[in-house]
Amino acid sequence: KNRVEQSPQSLIILEGKNCTLQCNYTVSPFSNLRWYKQDTGRGPVSLTIMTFSENTKSNGRYTATLDADTKQSSLHITASQLSDSASYICVVSAVRRGSTLGRLYFGRGTQLTVWP
Amino acid sequence: EAGVAQSPRYKIIEKRQSVAFWCNPISGHATLYWYQQILGQGPKLLIQFQNNGVVDDSQLPKDRFSAERLKGVDSTLKIQPAKLEDSAVYLCASSHVPGAASYEQYFGPGTRLTVT
Repeated sequence: KNRVEQSPQSLIILEGKNCTLQCNYTVSPFSNLRWYKQDTGRGPVSLTIMTFSENTKSNGRYTATLDADTKQSSLHITASQLSDSASYICVVSAVRRGSTLGRLYFGRGTQLTVWP
Repeated sequence: EAGVAQSPRYKIIEKRQSVAFWCNPISGHATLYWYQQILGQGPKLLIQFQNNGVVDDSQLPKDRFSAERLKGVDSTLKIQPAKLEDSAVYLCASSHVPGAASYEQYFGPGTRLTVT
């Protein structure tokens, strides 16, 4: 069964500190993995997207890693800011057999709170 | 470019009433998605349109939910009659024609539905 599991469920850190969020998946056949940031009351916004051959991708203070062998990904946030407070959702794309259409599988998200 | 527009932003109804949500995707995006996001969970795909045809509605509760995308642009999602468990945020997203490698989905702000 295709599943995306994220940990921790919630996290509180102080402003300026670093943190790492985890994502494990069993989605097959794998196409790509994305990390989305969802602010309260808003739709998700894409941070990074990685395909099978990519191990690391950065977007400013956000760095995502992917280990396709162990089916794990992490999102590292450096020097956190108050505006980083949001839900971070791991999303894995699978491609249906005989089709170029993909389907997204969403994790439940990690709720990050940054305190001043 | 303008983002995905949704309305209303908030809606409160009583159970057994009907409700409709509207979505205007990014101009030129052929694919449109409706997701249901229950509090504390990741989005769950309800229906996917390719132009004005349905690609995937396997998770749409068809006894009470319906959706249409006339002329392949705007879309409406209807719930009739609503149940308490339908309380959620309904997200609309759009993308270019999805390819096997990657396709970016852009989300609207969502409609928060409360059923009392």
